[in-house]
This record gives sequence, C-alpha cells and structure tokens, in this order.
Amino acid sequence: AQRVTQPEKLLSVFKGAPVELKCNYSYSGSPELFWYVQYSRQRLQLLLRHISRESIKGFTADLNKGETSFHLKKPFAQEEDSAMYYCALSGRGGYQKVTFGTGTKLQVIP
Amino acid sequence: ETGVTQSPTHLIKTRGQQVTLRCSSQSGHNTVSWYQQALGQGPQFIFQYYREEENGRGNFPPRFSGLQFPNYSSELNVNALELDDSALYLCASSSPPSTETQYFGPGTRLLVL
Repeated sequence: AQRVTQPEKLLSVFKGAPVELKCNYSYSGSPELFWYVQYSRQRLQLLLRHISRESIKGFTADLNKGETSFHLKKPFAQEEDSAMYYCALSGRGGYQKVTFGTGTKLQVIP
Repeated sequence: ETGVTQSPTHLIKTRGQQVTLRCSSQSGHNTVSWYQQALGQGPQFIFQYYREEENGRGNFPPRFSGLQFPNYSSELNVNALELDDSALYLCASSSPPSTETQYFGPGTRLLVL
C-alpha cells in the first residue's frame, strides 16, 4: 500500500527563518514524489516534483530513499509562502494513483 | 489555454439523494481524476478516466460512479448520499506521458444533511 505522512498540521516560522516541511512515504518500488501548494482562496497547484530537480519559489526537495523522505525546504521564509502544503506520491508510467498526505499549514509570521 | 473548471461550486443535498458533479478538463488533457477532500484531510483518490474508460479506482463504494465524454469532460455521480459524503470534490486533469502531474479545478463543496 502507498502512504504519505506529513507529521505536522501547522508549522509557524518567522519571516527570514529557514523552513522545512516534513514528508515521509511508504511505497514498494520507485515512486514519483510531488509537493502541491494551496494558497488562500486559490486552487491546489503543483509546486515541484522530485524528478525535475528544480527549485521553485526558492523551495527545494530531495528524495531520500534510505529514509523514505521527501522534505520541502526553503532557506528564508517569505510572508507569501503562507499556504497549505501537500506531499503526494505516485508510481511511474501508465495509470498511476496519486496519494496525498494530510497537509501542513505553513504560517510565516512577519 | 483554459484551465480545469467544475460545476456547481456549492451544493446541498439530503441523505439518500443522488448528486452529479461536473468537470471540464484543461485544454489538451485527456485524463481526468476525481478526489474527495474531507475537512482537514488531503485529497483522496476516487477514480480516474482516460479516453472515456475508468482507468483506476480508489477505496470508494460502487455508489460513486463516473463518466467521461468524447470531449474529455467528466461527471462524478454519487447515489444514496450519506452524511459522510459531505466534502470538497476535486477534479484534476492531466495528459500522457505526465499523467502524474495534475492540474486541479476549484472544487465542488457538497453538504449532505
């Protein structure tokens, strides 16, 4: 069974402080990992996927297969980063079900 | 390029009734997935449609059913509504080969009384 765990419901940080949103997963095989973000009054949107190895809005995420983790990091939080963040997982190729975590609300304090 | 749209935005039904939710996929996308998002939870996969065929299903009972039309728009039907069906229903579209990268609609909020 595939499972995504986000242990923190709420993470509060001060502006300019580093951010780390935790994500652990369970999957037998090689998964695709994603981070989705939902800003206030906006729809859910893709932030980044591990296969792209890119940095979006200063966020990065590294897949650690040994620890089965895919934590989202940003060195300096901005107020506009305040949002709901969801970690998600799928298999690769063809039809693949996407499994989401329960989400972490990031609150950046000015 | 037109994004994913869903209708209606809000809906109130009573227990035992039936409901149909609609989704128009993003231009060029032939795959539609439906999710249920209960309050305080992440989206849970209901099923996926690809070229008018159900292409995969999550742990939802048969009273959750769907359709996809030749223009790739889709419907989610729920029969015999229960109180626990109250949730935000999200539709997401994608296109091979990147079917894992999904573009979400704004959702339909369903309240069952």
